[in-house]
Amino acid sequence: ETGVTQTPRHLVMGMTNKKSLKCEQHLGHNAMYWYKQSAKKPLELMFVYSLEERVENNSVPSRFSPECPNSSHLFLHLHTLQPEDSALYLCASSQDSGSSYEQYFGPGTRLTVT
Amino acid sequence: ILNVEQSPQSLHVQEGDSTNFTCSFPSSNFYALHWYRWETAKSPEALFVMTLNGDEKKKGRISATLNTKEGYSYLYIKGSQPEDSATYLCAFRPGNNRKLIWGLGTSLAVNP
Repeated sequence: ETGVTQTPRHLVMGMTNKKSLKCEQHLGHNAMYWYKQSAKKPLELMFVYSLEERVENNSVPSRFSPECPNSSHLFLHLHTLQPEDSALYLCASSQDSGSSYEQYFGPGTRLTVT
Repeated sequence: ILNVEQSPQSLHVQEGDSTNFTCSFPSSNFYALHWYRWETAKSPEALFVMTLNGDEKKKGRISATLNTKEGYSYLYIKGSQPEDSATYLCAFRPGNNRKLIWGLGTSLAVNP
């Protein structure tokens, strides 16, 4: 595997379900990100982890719970979601060194909440 | 509120046409401007990171220019090919940190 991978690629869940999205980066990077992309909206940054510590949480509802067990893996745990949470969830990673924060993205998980 | 505007929203061209589109961003507190190419069902792919006023970058048939004083960047594609069909996103970095402010993208369709 190379780059940034995400599983599953598609997920349909009911509002009472609990599910998790997984992201893995094979680039040796030290920072990882969750983004949400809704129709007709720009990419919205949700969470940032640097060196496995959460460094940014952009007012995301608590029904989204991130977890970063090590620098290569990032999870997004989902519970009691709402239909408006249906979106594409993108994971990215970067190597934070000096002034370079260029982000490398996974292909995303298309989430539908019914 | 920091906004990044991209125009046009979508574009249809014929194979072989050259095309360009615009990214407008705040001219204050500029640190970097990123261009990404995003094909349907694939990962967004980094094209350029631009940091200096007057910067010009080139990758094959794709090039970009940057004007930080007036807050815009142009992306040019010379001799468009069907495989250039994608959404082209720009993102503005205000300051030396990880946060990017994203545009909505320009969706390009190249007809064979």
